[in-house]
Amino acid sequence: KAGVTQTPRYLIKTRGQQVTLSCSPISGHRSVSWYQQTPGQGLQFLFEYFSETQRNKGNFPGRFSGRQFSNSRSEMNVSTLELGDSALYLCASSLPTSDTQYFGPGTRLTVL
Amino acid sequence: GENVEQHPSTLSVQEGDSAVIKCTYSDSASNYFPWYKQELGKGPQLIIDIRSNVGEKKDQRIAVTLNKTAKHFSLHITETQPEDSAVYFCAASRGNNNDMRFGAGTRLTVKP
Repeated sequence: KAGVTQTPRYLIKTRGQQVTLSCSPISGHRSVSWYQQTPGQGLQFLFEYFSETQRNKGNFPGRFSGRQFSNSRSEMNVSTLELGDSALYLCASSLPTSDTQYFGPGTRLTVL
Repeated sequence: GENVEQHPSTLSVQEGDSAVIKCTYSDSASNYFPWYKQELGKGPQLIIDIRSNVGEKKDQRIAVTLNKTAKHFSLHITETQPEDSAVYFCAASRGNNNDMRFGAGTRLTVKP
């Protein structure tokens, strides 16, 4: 079974731009969670989508948004990028009735 | 909200020795406690998890213990090998992928 895939793997943007990251979960997994990982703040939960609905949300500003499609693929969007948004963005998928999350390799976003 | 503290931040052991990493959590409603291993350039990989109705779980060289009363849980790795070198994260959540909180990570180095 293929693992969680994320595209692109690397991205460079400038302040004020917006960015869209994509995540394809493991086949059969309907829950997708997004995390931000930085050296200073560690791993922080952004939000979780299940059956195309945002089910849980972390403590991030509204510039961070996401969506999930009917095939469970998910995208997250960051608008008006700031230097502090530079991070590794990870998505994780899980089965509908399981807490076990499987992570993708992440997208490394650099904001200049 | 949940706060997870992890110690030590770095740990160096000789090959064959044991390694112990400890975490404490604050939210008494947390009931799911996974441990992840993250290698350079990769996403976190689940290595073992435990639920609040279990006190100990073992998988070959890896074991996790949970003390609900004291709100702490620990990862034990026996007979360490150089390939165990990585950053290890503990996490806690209320389940249903709800706002999983991670510890700051422990960089484990196993010297051959």
